Amino acid sequence: KAGVTQTPRYLIKTRGQQVTLSCSPISGHRSVSWYQQTPGQGLQFLFEYFSETQRNKGNFPGRFSGRQFSNSRSEMNVSTLELGDSALYLCASSLSGSRETQYFGPGTRLLVL
Amino acid sequence: GQQLNQSPQSMFIQEGEDVSMNCTSSSIFNTWLWYKQDPGEGPVLLIALYKAGELTSNGRLTAQFGITRKDSFLNISASIPSDVGIYFCAGPERYGNKLVFGAGTILRVKS
Repeated sequence: KAGVTQTPRYLIKTRGQQVTLSCSPISGHRSVSWYQQTPGQGLQFLFEYFSETQRNKGNFPGRFSGRQFSNSRSEMNVSTLELGDSALYLCASSLSGSRETQYFGPGTRLLVL
Repeated sequence: GQQLNQSPQSMFIQEGEDVSMNCTSSSIFNTWLWYKQDPGEGPVLLIALYKAGELTSNGRLTAQFGITRKDSFLNISASIPSDVGIYFCAGPERYGNKLVFGAGTILRVKS
């Protein structure tokens, strides 16, 4: 079974721009969760999508948004990028919920200049 | 919310040595998960524990679910250079809807 895939793997943007990251979960998994990882803050939960609906949300500003498609693929969007948004963005999938064992993708490394 | 405290924060050991790290909480967890993250990659699930007292091995790795359900331990025997990375423990929130992650233990191996 193929694992979780994320595209792109690396991205460089400038302040004020917006960015869209993509995640394809493991086949059959319906829940996709997104995390931001920075050296000082560890893994911070952004949100979870299940059946095309946002089911859980972490403490991030509204500039961070996401969506999920009918095939369970998910996208995450960050608008009006700030320098502090530079991080590794990880997507994880599970069968039916973010409380379950999650399987992570390789991440997208975003650098904001 | 529930928190997971991992110790030590980092370790620098000699190749061939055994490694022990742990994860503790002030509240009960019903599942303990251990992940390893290689530099620049996403965390990979190593071991999942579902029952208090459970001891599970995966090659040179052994993890235990503490009998109080408030802690878990991960041991690595005979460390090798590819063991380098960050080890995270995680568990589902008791009254919430997501996994809680520890801050991680950074392992460096000197060959």
